[in-house]
Amino acid sequence: DADVTQTPRNRITKTGKRIMLECSQTKGHDRMYWYRQDPGLGLRLIYYSFDVKDINKGEISDGYSVSRQAQAKFSLSLESAIPNQTALYFCATSDFGQNTDTQYFGPGTRLTVL
Amino acid sequence: QKEVEQNSGPLSVPEGAIASLNCTYSDRGSQSFFWYRQYSGKSPELIMFIYSNGDKEDGRFTAQLNKASQYVSLLIRDSQPSDSATYLCAVNSNDYKLSFGAGTTVTVRA
Repeated sequence: DADVTQTPRNRITKTGKRIMLECSQTKGHDRMYWYRQDPGLGLRLIYYSFDVKDINKGEISDGYSVSRQAQAKFSLSLESAIPNQTALYFCATSDFGQNTDTQYFGPGTRLTVL
Repeated sequence: QKEVEQNSGPLSVPEGAIASLNCTYSDRGSQSFFWYRQYSGKSPELIMFIYSNGDKEDGRFTAQLNKASQYVSLLIRDSQPSDSATYLCAVNSNDYKLSFGAGTTVTVRA
């Protein structure tokens, strides 16, 4: 079984709809991250959480919100989707307890906003 | 100025040759450096990381770090068609967030 899972894997939605992307991990890591990837722009950080009570904005948080429901679950919401949020979204985890900041990525969610 | 810059590519190399990928970063306080490989439509997977100046070898991959020049590179020796992918350089400062470069696409010609 995959250590970091994302649901859904693909989603097509319409402008103005609310959508939630979910991430779960079985790695036991404290830290979780949401990125989006656009062609030619690399990965950009949306939000990150270092533990259940800690939520922080990344470089492109406008239009997004997150919820850390448990150590293992981190959800990303688009309250009112717009076409320029069409992208590939990745969840990642890392384990501070191992004194390393290596991040491990989920399989991604391809989101299309029409 | 972007925090992490990579040579734009695409980079095409013949099978068996060395592929050389370069990355520069702007934050002199950066502590750790990562190379990820990403196949088209897939998630990034870690190839290797490096913390100290000098070279670090892992199989056919060698990472080189020069903090004074704010430069990190990845060499892929004996390139194989399966090495065809986009390679992402990532840099971490003290706050445990990664900044990624845009990636360099490598194509290995059989």
